[in-house]
Amino acid sequence: GAGVSQSPSNKVTEKGKDVELRCDPISGHTALYWYRQSLGQGLEFLIYFQGNSAPDKSGLPSDRFSAERTGGSVSTLTIQRTQQEDSAVYLCASSLVGFGYTFGSGTRLTVV
Amino acid sequence: GNSVTQMEGPVTLSEEAFLTINCTYTATGYPSLFWYVQYPGEGLQLLLKATKADDKGSNKGFEATYRKETTSFHLEKGSVQVSDSAVYFCALRGETSGSRLTFGEGTQLTVNP
Repeated sequence: GAGVSQSPSNKVTEKGKDVELRCDPISGHTALYWYRQSLGQGLEFLIYFQGNSAPDKSGLPSDRFSAERTGGSVSTLTIQRTQQEDSAVYLCASSLVGFGYTFGSGTRLTVV
Repeated sequence: GNSVTQMEGPVTLSEEAFLTINCTYTATGYPSLFWYVQYPGEGLQLLLKATKADDKGSNKGFEATYRKETTSFHLEKGSVQVSDSAVYFCALRGETSGSRLTFGEGTQLTVNP
């Protein structure tokens, strides 16, 4: 597609439920990144996929968070047993290696 | 590890005022430095970048110079417009961190007519 597409744009969920956030990167971009933007804070790195290499999961805050990227394209970030502190905007970006990122508009997650 | 520190916001200016948003970083070696901008309701967009010391990145009237001696990459614009109202993020990509970016906290800029 023309840009990075994320869905849903907004998600309200009850504490303890699981959520899945989706990212469609730009076609042909081999690198895909997930970041989290909490209120009043910067962007926190979560996970990075590059081609067929093992993902860099070093930013995932707990084992409740996981992500996969199928066929080198679409990625899904899953948060299990959501907590209120998970409320944030989840941003996805894609790039060609060594080039700048293109970000999606994000998914605003609210855990109530 | 790598880190980026931005001046605290929010920053409120009148149209045509001079803008400076400070950014300093900690990293080993020679990182690449970036400014991203996030307009209301939109995703982050790359504003400008510099990949080596003394490089000046520029775009849309904004400038930033990579200062190795002061580990800084301050963003400047001589005359801001209402349309520049946005959140600005300073970021770096370390020499050994692949394509991964480390971001600052972001600075909210509001320009009033």
